[in-house]
Amino acid sequence: EVQVVESGGGLVQPGGSLRLSCAASGFPFSSYYMTWVRQAPGRGLEWVAYINGDGSEKYYVDSVKGRFTISRDNTKNSVYLQMNSLRVEDTAVYYCARGGAQGMDVWGQGTTVTVSS
Amino acid sequence: QAGLTQPPSVSKGLRQTATLTCTGNSNNVGNQGATWLQQHQGHPPKLLSYRDNSRPSGISERISTSRSGNTASLTITGLQPEDEADYYCSAWDSSLSAVVFGGGTKLTVL
Repeated sequence: EVQVVESGGGLVQPGGSLRLSCAASGFPFSSYYMTWVRQAPGRGLEWVAYINGDGSEKYYVDSVKGRFTISRDNTKNSVYLQMNSLRVEDTAVYYCARGGAQGMDVWGQGTTVTVSS
Repeated sequence: QAGLTQPPSVSKGLRQTATLTCTGNSNNVGNQGATWLQQHQGHPPKLLSYRDNSRPSGISERISTSRSGNTASLTITGLQPEDEADYYCSAWDSSLSAVVFGGGTKLTVL
């Protein structure tokens, strides 16, 4: 079965850090772009970052540049989102998705990140 | 980063046809095309259409997409109760080097 499963969310204080993980299975992982998208409570979807198959290309939304880092380990079929200097406005459900700008066609259930003091 | 423009809500009757729009500019929709996603309350999004207007496996033939200039459209024919959801478009913006989303359209099936 083709799937992606996120983990690593939780409650963190402003200024803190979290590392999200996304484990993929059922498809040739290294052949696919992988993307992180977030959704704040009651709001729409916001693209966060994506990475190409070999990890050589990474793109970020302006609001997370310099704070978040996307990476992948093709030996573990996993993609990660290291989030530093977290802000209250980073509170959201974070989704991992297979694919990039051409279409994100496999989504996980999401992991919730809450930034609050 | 500027996003794509979608009408906040659209209401149509059962078995009618709904056309949802997504307006961008020449750096995104006009140049790269758009993808469409459906999201039911409390669930993750589901891809309805790739940016080349092809449908993923399992997506109903009642769904079609197109593009004219800087505006992309999603058409759903024969509306069913299960079509009631939020719909989002997205596109690569070459000037921003980023993916941009529309704000979403809530489709209500009356």
